[in-house]
Amino acid sequence: KQEVTQIPAALSVPEGENLVLNCSFTDSAIYNLQWFRQDPGKGLTSLLLIQSSQREQTSGRLNASLDKSSGRSTLYIAASQPGDSATYLCAHTEGPTGRRALTFGSGTRLQVQP
Amino acid sequence: GAGVSQSPSNKVTEKGKDVELRCDPISGHTALYWYRQRLGQGLEFLIYFQGNSAPDKSGLPSDRFSAERTGESVSTLTIQRTQQEDSAVYLCASSTRTGPAQYFGPGTRLTVT
Repeated sequence: KQEVTQIPAALSVPEGENLVLNCSFTDSAIYNLQWFRQDPGKGLTSLLLIQSSQREQTSGRLNASLDKSSGRSTLYIAASQPGDSATYLCAHTEGPTGRRALTFGSGTRLQVQP
Repeated sequence: GAGVSQSPSNKVTEKGKDVELRCDPISGHTALYWYRQRLGQGLEFLIYFQGNSAPDKSGLPSDRFSAERTGESVSTLTIQRTQQEDSAVYLCASSTRTGPAQYFGPGTRLTVT
């Protein structure tokens, strides 16, 4: 069974720092990868999607990369702000004929101190 | 446009009662997913609908759980004879037929007392 590990589990940084969140997979059968943020008491907001033929995606201060050979993805957040405080989740689907449901990591809880 | 909506937002029920949770996907999205998130744990897949195809029920934890979807619209998740371990946030997501990105609703927080 595929397991998704996110490191660190929690992170606290001062405002303005650049930071990297990590996601690793036990199985390299990763098709699409999606990063989400979850705010307390709310649903998930999609941040970035890396499709099967891609290796990275960028949106504003966020950059996500995927290395299927090593089974790792990273989410880079530049110039962090207090509004970035949330739990960040990575999730993936299996191959094109596999189940389309997402398999999630347990998340990284980020706190950006003003 | 409107996103995925879910109702109720919160539900408290007594152990042994049945509950129904509702999900309205984004208009035009043929795929619909149910997940649950128990306290302190990651999201678990429950069930997946794609158009009129047979649903993928591989994530349902027991036969007390079932879900229906009418065409490509509303879905209901039913939990019969609720147990305390069913307490969780139940999240619904939808996507287009080909688009891999899933868009999530705000969830229903279920508490079984």
